[in-house]
Amino acid sequence: GAVVSQHPSWVICKSGTSVKIECRSLDFQATTMFWYRQFPKQSLMLMATSNEGSKATYEQGVEKDKFLINHASLTLSTLTVTSAHPEDSSFYICSARPTGGISYEQYFGPGTRLTVT
Amino acid sequence: SQQGEEDPQALSIQEGENATMNCSYKTSINNLQWYRQNSGRGLVHLILIRSNEREKHSGRLRVTLDTSKKSSSLLITASRAADTASYFCATDPLLAGKSTFGDGTTLTVKP
Repeated sequence: GAVVSQHPSWVICKSGTSVKIECRSLDFQATTMFWYRQFPKQSLMLMATSNEGSKATYEQGVEKDKFLINHASLTLSTLTVTSAHPEDSSFYICSARPTGGISYEQYFGPGTRLTVT
Repeated sequence: SQQGEEDPQALSIQEGENATMNCSYKTSINNLQWYRQNSGRGLVHLILIRSNEREKHSGRLRVTLDTSKKSSSLLITASRAADTASYFCATDPLLAGKSTFGDGTTLTVKP
């Protein structure tokens, strides 16, 4: 149980285009999902907290107009990287917290590798 | 800045040896968790230790927590080549409602 999927697993796009990444909780509902970014050989940096039915909360330094988050249902959150640039190339990982779960409980997706050329 | 710092950054050992990784953090926490990440993959949850616990075991894993020193250690005993991965600690600071990850330790276990 507690499986989180991400789609796509990898994507290559041209500079200036937008890319959408999906995060789904497959067997549980998640009011809260988290989006992380990880550069090679570095740790995970929290980008934003996605809340179903409300606006996402972004971490300091993360451009909300560039990284659009939509948490339209209790099982789906999407991250859209708008006008992508090569420096946005990274590994994006989401996690989902089961609705009603305790604060530390979260399940991670397998990640999406974005390469912007 | 990241809540946690880990050392060593990289660790290389022979199969069968024990591996110890350390994590330090800055603020009071509810709990601390350790995760494993194979290259280019998502995170796998290994173990959680609460702030009122000092030691916890799970199979070949042993985690300690010293809240007075704001530090934790992860010991992997009798390591295997399959243990080769990056290991991260994540803290759940009081009232934060979100986890913050350490810098990670890259473990290489040579067969």
